[in-house]
Amino acid sequence: DIQMTQSPSSLSASVGDRVTITCRASQSISTYLNWYQQKPGKAPMLLIYAASRLQSGVPSRFSGSGSGTEFTLTISSLQPEDFATYYCQQSYTTPRTFGQGTRVEIK
Amino acid sequence: EVQLLESGGGLVQPGGSLRLSCAASGFTFSSYAMNWVRQAPGKGLEWVSGISGSGGNTYHADSVKGRFTISRDNSKNTLYLQMNGLRAEDTALYLCASEKPGYCSGGSCYPAYFQHWGQGTLVTVSS
Repeated sequence: DIQMTQSPSSLSASVGDRVTITCRASQSISTYLNWYQQKPGKAPMLLIYAASRLQSGVPSRFSGSGSGTEFTLTISSLQPEDFATYYCQQSYTTPRTFGQGTRVEIK
Repeated sequence: EVQLLESGGGLVQPGGSLRLSCAASGFTFSSYAMNWVRQAPGKGLEWVSGISGSGGNTYHADSVKGRFTISRDNSKNTLYLQMNGLRAEDTALYLCASEKPGYCSGGSCYPAYFQHWGQGTLVTVSS
């Protein structure tokens, strides 16, 4: 199975900060990498698919990059509604593994 | 509007069984692979099981293989998860998710992703 490892596990940031989350795959997954946002008590929501393609309706302050085994999710200017947990997920193969999540908290 | 509505969760003793259902509406159910993803209290997302649109191919995480069975009834637009031999570590919120298929176009390939999610049904395994 492909293991997905996110870092950091949590971070504290202020509104307006630039935030970067890293996701590493245990083997190459090309760009078969998706990012989801989950707020407390809510279902996850797709932000980015194919490593860098923004899902329709998602604000442009979110961006993704990477290929192979290293990927990043960047929030260019953190907004109050962005405080949530973020997960990467590979769909290169089954099982569809998730990273352990990165919790973004208010500083 | 796409809706996924899970049901069937509850409190069950270790070793017991439950069958979860996910009723789908607002899209052509049979055209989409479907998945179960769970989230233990305060923990992250864990993919549990997946099934192709026709139901001909099924997949399970190693942690549930031999105990859980995913199935679907396309005539009823419903996804199921039969859970047997439940353990305390199976305690979680179980969410169903539709999977938009991957595709290739213009020399580039794009991955499948979980497009729509239900709100989940809570399974608690405890004596």
